[in-house]
Amino acid sequence: DADVTQTPRNRITKTGKRIMLECSQTKGHDRMYWYRQDPGLGLRLIYYSFDVKDINKGEISDGYSVSRQAQAKFSLSLESAIPNQTALYFCATSDYSDTGELFFGEGSRLTVL
Amino acid sequence: GQNIDQPTEMTATEGAIVQINCTYQTSGFNGLFWYQQHAGEAPTFLSYNVLDGLEEKGRFSSFLSRSKGYSYLLLKELQMKDSASYLCAALDSNYQLIWGAGTKLIIKP
Repeated sequence: DADVTQTPRNRITKTGKRIMLECSQTKGHDRMYWYRQDPGLGLRLIYYSFDVKDINKGEISDGYSVSRQAQAKFSLSLESAIPNQTALYFCATSDYSDTGELFFGEGSRLTVL
Repeated sequence: GQNIDQPTEMTATEGAIVQINCTYQTSGFNGLFWYQQHAGEAPTFLSYNVLDGLEEKGRFSSFLSRSKGYSYLLLKELQMKDSASYLCAALDSNYQLIWGAGTKLIIKP
């Protein structure tokens, strides 16, 4: 089983719908992240959390919200999906080190029609 | 502004050597990462450099020059499985990762 698991892996939805992407990890890491990846662009940080009581906005948080339900779980919500939120979304974890490597989930491909 | 530049695509031959360059401009600098990403898959860590010089790890090596804002990833004895995108990312003064768009490496037999 993967150390960082994302569900769903693929989702097609319509404009205006609420969508939740879930991430769980078995690595025991405190730090968790949500990124989106678009063709021709680098990974962009949406939100990150350094522990259960810590939530921080990334560079593109508008239109998204997150919840850190437990050390191992970090979910991303799109309250009202729009077509330009069509992208590949990755959850990632890292240990306490600022220079620690990121461990990515397998990605969730979201299409908003 | 903060920026990472790397070539969009490169082509190389199986068994050969390829060098993928990355230049960065960040507010402060706390190190540079290289990740590999196969199509449709998650990125996986390759290397981290914070001091000037070359770090070798098997067939892959990564070089950093802090004064020039420059890094490269060197892949030797290329194999078909090395066909992937290679992502360069720099840590800024706030320990935020700034990502390049990635270099798609195509390996031909």
